[in-house]
Amino acid sequence: DTGVSQNPRHKITKRGQNVTFRCDPISEHNRLYWYRQTLGQGPEFLTYFQNEAQLEKSRLLSDRFSAERPKGSFSTLEIQRTEQGDSAMYLCASSPRGQGPYEQYFGPGTRLTVT
Amino acid sequence: AQSVTQLDSQVPVFEEAPVELRCNYSSSVSVYLFWYVQYPNQGLQLLLKYLSGSTLVKGINGFEAEFNKSQTSFHLRKPSVHISDTAEYFCAVSEGDAGGTSYGKLTFGQGTILTVHP
Repeated sequence: DTGVSQNPRHKITKRGQNVTFRCDPISEHNRLYWYRQTLGQGPEFLTYFQNEAQLEKSRLLSDRFSAERPKGSFSTLEIQRTEQGDSAMYLCASSPRGQGPYEQYFGPGTRLTVT
Repeated sequence: AQSVTQLDSQVPVFEEAPVELRCNYSSSVSVYLFWYVQYPNQGLQLLLKYLSGSTLVKGINGFEAEFNKSQTSFHLRKPSVHISDTAEYFCAVSEGDAGGTSYGKLTFGQGTILTVHP
């Protein structure tokens, strides 16, 4: 069990550029979540996948944001035309299959800075 | 819609003193409650969780929490803190449907920074 990994750990980009983050969940975890955390706040839910299906998207996820999870393994989160307000820590978490609210295992996050 | 309020943004304490971090939630359905800890430059780690059963739950590192349905609270306690407990603590809630099924989406509080002084 190598845990949830996220790449890159840090990303600095200029306003208007596109960025893509990757999350590799714990193997055999079929649930995958993306959260965003801004300074001084708790994480906020962005989106959820069960296997390859994206089952819920938060209203926080504007049209500039898109997430995928091809083949139900790793996931990518893309932000197009970045804005300064997108600067945050982007967290990925995974949990095993089942009916219960099992523990979510979080990755270290990707810190995005938009200049 | 569910929401979580952590009543203290910062809690300073001296080493070996007891501590309580307060958390209140709002939800109209069955809830599952969690406390996570975030050490500097690290990811979130689960401390403990309440799913059902006994309202007093014990977690890692000597922490415990009590679920109080009537007061909609889930306060975190430790009888004697150490310097190494200095971190940010997050309370979170996940809602279940009428059958208790939950896919686990978490709603977090704003966090409480615990600082333990020597």
